[in-house]
Amino acid sequence: AQSVSQHNHHVILSEAASLELGCNYSYGGTVNLFWYVQYPGQHLQLLLKYFSGDPLVKGIKGFEAEFIKSKFSFNLRKPSVQWSDTAEYFCAVNSPYNQGGKLIFGQGTELSVKP
Amino acid sequence: KAGVTQTPRYLIKTRGQQVTLSCSPISGHRSVSWYQQTPGQGLQFLFEYFSETQRNKGNFPGRFSGRQFSNSRSEMNVSTLELGDSALYLCASSLVDPAYNEQFFGPGTRLTVL
Repeated sequence: AQSVSQHNHHVILSEAASLELGCNYSYGGTVNLFWYVQYPGQHLQLLLKYFSGDPLVKGIKGFEAEFIKSKFSFNLRKPSVQWSDTAEYFCAVNSPYNQGGKLIFGQGTELSVKP
Repeated sequence: KAGVTQTPRYLIKTRGQQVTLSCSPISGHRSVSWYQQTPGQGLQFLFEYFSETQRNKGNFPGRFSGRQFSNSRSEMNVSTLELGDSALYLCASSLVDPAYNEQFFGPGTRLTVL
């Protein structure tokens, strides 16, 4: 069965530190990839997505992610985090030809940024 | 533009009861998907509707059902509630095919089963 694995359950960083959150998926076919963020008390919202083309995608709030097909990975990065980035981050995958819009989510990574 | 709205926001039920949750998608969106979020299992897909038809279903028992109306509003129903059904139920809407379009999530309905 298709699955998504996020390497870190809880990450604690100081402001201005660089961030990289790992995400690996298990599916050999065509996939679309997403990172969602859930700020405290707010809705899930899309940070960025990859459907095709340039494997380096840029999202909102200075986030970017790189799709490495050979490694089945889609890691999220930000060069310098801010206190306002404190949130839970979810990697998600869908396989459009097999399962349409069904999103398979990772377990989430809680990011705490210390001021 | 108003976002996805879900009602009620909070609900407390007892075991054995049934519950109906409602979701109004963003105006013009035709696809609605439902997800269950729990601390133990994370976010899990329940079902997806497009133009009143269920197009996709997750691995949940038959006690979980849903429907979509002609105005794209959707409801999900859980019958014979169990303690393990306590969760945040999220609705997401998409303009057309969610496989290739962003899904916009609502605030969720927090269901507590006692």
